[in-house]
Amino acid sequence: SQQGEEDPQALSIQEGENATMNCSYKTSINNLQWYRQNSGRGLVHLILIRSNEREKHSGRLRVTLDTSKKSSSLLITASRAADTASYFCATEFSGGYNKLIFGAGTRLAVHP
Amino acid sequence: GAVVSQHPSWVICKSGTSVKIECRSLDFQATTMFWYRQFPKQSLMLMATSNEGSKATYEQGVEKDKFLINHASLTLSTLTVTSAHPEDSSFYICSAGETGYTEAFFGQGTRLTVV
Repeated sequence: SQQGEEDPQALSIQEGENATMNCSYKTSINNLQWYRQNSGRGLVHLILIRSNEREKHSGRLRVTLDTSKKSSSLLITASRAADTASYFCATEFSGGYNKLIFGAGTRLAVHP
Repeated sequence: GAVVSQHPSWVICKSGTSVKIECRSLDFQATTMFWYRQFPKQSLMLMATSNEGSKATYEQGVEKDKFLINHASLTLSTLTVTSAHPEDSSFYICSAGETGYTEAFFGQGTRLTVV
């Protein structure tokens, strides 16, 4: 069953602004991953943060993880129109061996 | 990273027919693969865990007789949607993990339309 919740469900911003998406989960995890999906297409892996990590950066992406609150956030800085997509967090349970449970997703629209 | 190939990328079938979707790990062996379903504007829902050489493990609410999974080799899992109906129309996507890697690798997905 789906365990992750994400907010906001939809986010509309202008190019150059930052976009922040949040994800919450319910059980102990090995890691949390963020994925991007363009409309009707496959998933693109963005970043993985392990349960013993608190923050991770990759280019314009910054991910934080708070295991005490069972939550994570994805920040996209200086957004571009090409960032328009749906973003999903996915958690791997402890002992899950790549079995991922996805959050509801955030649909991001970046306007030129 | 490792490559997972899914075929076909899209398929249209008539109501009552069966459709087989293949998921292959191209450059690694996967003892376990996963099948997800995604309805429009919704998230990915885990359907089942495909186990090489043994029966698949289905998530609650997923009909195992409707969605047949076969994982006969270390590089191939198949999902067969039997007696498909329009409500089975969805985007199906598989994933596999390589031993030693924490990242799961996803196929390109299959868009099934049942008419």
